[in-house]
Amino acid sequence: QVQLKESGPGLVQPSETLSLTCTVSGFSLTSYGVNWVRQPPGKGLEWMGTIWNDGSTDYNSALKSRLSISRDTSKSQVFLKMNSLQTEDTAIYLCAREGGDDVMDAWGQGASVTVSS
Amino acid sequence: DIQMTQSPASLSASLGETVTIECLASEDIYSNLAWYQQKPGKSPQLLIYYANSLNDGVPSRFSGSGSGTQYSLKINSLQSEDVSIYFCQQNYDSPRTFGGGTKLELK
Repeated sequence: QVQLKESGPGLVQPSETLSLTCTVSGFSLTSYGVNWVRQPPGKGLEWMGTIWNDGSTDYNSALKSRLSISRDTSKSQVFLKMNSLQTEDTAIYLCAREGGDDVMDAWGQGASVTVSS
Repeated sequence: DIQMTQSPASLSASLGETVTIECLASEDIYSNLAWYQQKPGKSPQLLIYYANSLNDGVPSRFSGSGSGTQYSLKINSLQSEDVSIYFCQQNYDSPRTFGGGTKLELK
């Protein structure tokens, strides 16, 4: 059974760095990529970036200067780090598996992140 | 970036009705379009990929169509469990972009 689960701090101070972990099960990170997507309260979805099955990455150019995605295949974990957080970064952060048809075919439940002092 | 414009932003329909949601891309995306369903308080779920391919386990009352810049999602015989927000997403070019969403409610 394919599962993804996000974890991380619920509250981050402005200007600090967000660190999130996506722990996956039911598939291998060397066979499938993982995306990060975020959803501000009451708003739509924004693709942040992808780490592919070969370990290469692709980032949304709007976030590229602040964003880093990495992984530990032995632990089946994907990591997101984003620096210089502002209040507009308040959102639910979701990880999603990159399916074989260039779509996100399985999603985590999401991690709520609030940027506030 | 490719802009995805969804319409309508919200929709109210009765049980058993047929509803259609539209998605317009700012340039040709060559059918590289997916539809996702997000039920209240839940994560999105993949419904359709490559514009018209139904994901495993998705009821056949859902269908997708379109080409070029214009795409649509059709729901036949609306059920109560279809109350959701529906998003389109293009995966033709980076960054992948989503439509603003269509909120479907029961009348």
